[in-house]
Amino acid sequence: QQQVKQSPQSLIVQKGGISIINCAYENTAFDYFPWYQQFPGKGPALLIAIRPDVSEKKEGRFTISFNKSAKQFSLHIMDSQPGDSATYFCAAGEFGNEKLTFGTGTRLTIIP
Amino acid sequence: DAGITQSPRHKVTETGTPVTLRCHQTENHRYMYWYRQDPGHGLRLIHYSYGVKDTDKGEVSDGYSVSRSKTEDFLLTLESATSSQTSVYFCAISDGGAQSTNEKLFFGSGTQLSVL
Repeated sequence: QQQVKQSPQSLIVQKGGISIINCAYENTAFDYFPWYQQFPGKGPALLIAIRPDVSEKKEGRFTISFNKSAKQFSLHIMDSQPGDSATYFCAAGEFGNEKLTFGTGTRLTIIP
Repeated sequence: DAGITQSPRHKVTETGTPVTLRCHQTENHRYMYWYRQDPGHGLRLIHYSYGVKDTDKGEVSDGYSVSRSKTEDFLLTLESATSSQTSVYFCAISDGGAQSTNEKLFFGSGTQLSVL
């Protein structure tokens, strides 16, 4: 049972372009939505996170857009750089539950 | 990696043998987690711990057991390894659980396990 569906599986974007990764969830009790970034040979690291009381959160070139009614959220990377090439995981969690549910991951490649 | 050490980093073993992976933290965080990462499946929770001797199952716990006798150590044991358990295993820690206000998971660098 996949509670958090992530797409696309892989993405190639030109340097300077906008990278967009989408996630959809089913459990309406989810109220915490983080994105993790993983470089080869490393563990994932928290990139940015949002709670459903806001529709957008921006940190530098990274923005989360959140649509509560559609049960969807997305990561936008503006002015994508080769150093952004990594695997990105969305996740969802529920207050009072110590566990996060992760999406299947998106391998992002930024080409010059 | 936030004071998290996983050992071994690589392991090759044979089907049917027991295997133990170790996660050691120096952050004194309460929560510890074991995830496995597989292509097409992302990160899936195997087991987690919310304190010494307090553990619970995740979504893919069959075939795995865990123990936490000290705050800093969380062991994952495959009682009888199978080829389907070939994966990359990540340990993670957090201070307040997955849902506290300032919470985030810190991951170790992973253990690549191959079961032949």
